[in-house]
Amino acid sequence: EADIYQTPRYLVIGTGKKITLECSQTMGHDKMYWYQQDPGMELHLIHYSYGVNSTEKGDLSSESTVSRIRTEHFPLTLESARPSHTSQYLCASSEFTGTTGDGYTFGSGTRLTVV
Amino acid sequence: GENVEQHPSTLSVQEGDSAVIKCTYSDSASNYFPWYKQELGKGPQLIIDIRSNVGEKKDQRIAVTLNKTAKHFSLHITETQPEDSAVYFCAAKGSGGYQKVTFGTGTKLQVIP
Repeated sequence: EADIYQTPRYLVIGTGKKITLECSQTMGHDKMYWYQQDPGMELHLIHYSYGVNSTEKGDLSSESTVSRIRTEHFPLTLESARPSHTSQYLCASSEFTGTTGDGYTFGSGTRLTVV
Repeated sequence: GENVEQHPSTLSVQEGDSAVIKCTYSDSASNYFPWYKQELGKGPQLIIDIRSNVGEKKDQRIAVTLNKTAKHFSLHITETQPEDSAVYFCAAKGSGGYQKVTFGTGTKLQVIP
């Protein structure tokens, strides 16, 4: 049973459109992350958050933006989609201090195709 | 920052054989080493983890070993089954809430029936 939900699972959209990928978790985790996964499997961190009103850019430069207004919600927005944004986007969450574990819980991902 | 290298990138084994995936890390301050399994169409799932105060951990058919001196750790899967076919990621993380996990590049394991 998934405790972190991503919607939509698949999205095909035209160039120039604005899109928001949704991510919600029910575990009360403070930390949340967005990863971009290329066909070569590698996971690239593009955004993360330590808690409400905290957002940071990740290791891979991205034209997307994120917000963290509520603990459980961490949406990712692309203001103007381009074909280069075509990818799999994975959301994850974890506890802050890791008292019971530092493991990440991942959502099932959103596969975005920009045509 | 931390750098995690993972080998091999692909691995094919016969059903029933063992599979070993190896990772090295660069930051001696890292003290938490999780392994994730990603099945087709799903997000990665934590399957086992180990902390730096432990040298080995087992959970049924999977085990992880850690050599802090050499800064490498490995995942061992015994008696492989077709459902073990997936992409496996190793990772490393330092202590403290502000530390992030650094992932390896992934190993695609194929178990041939």
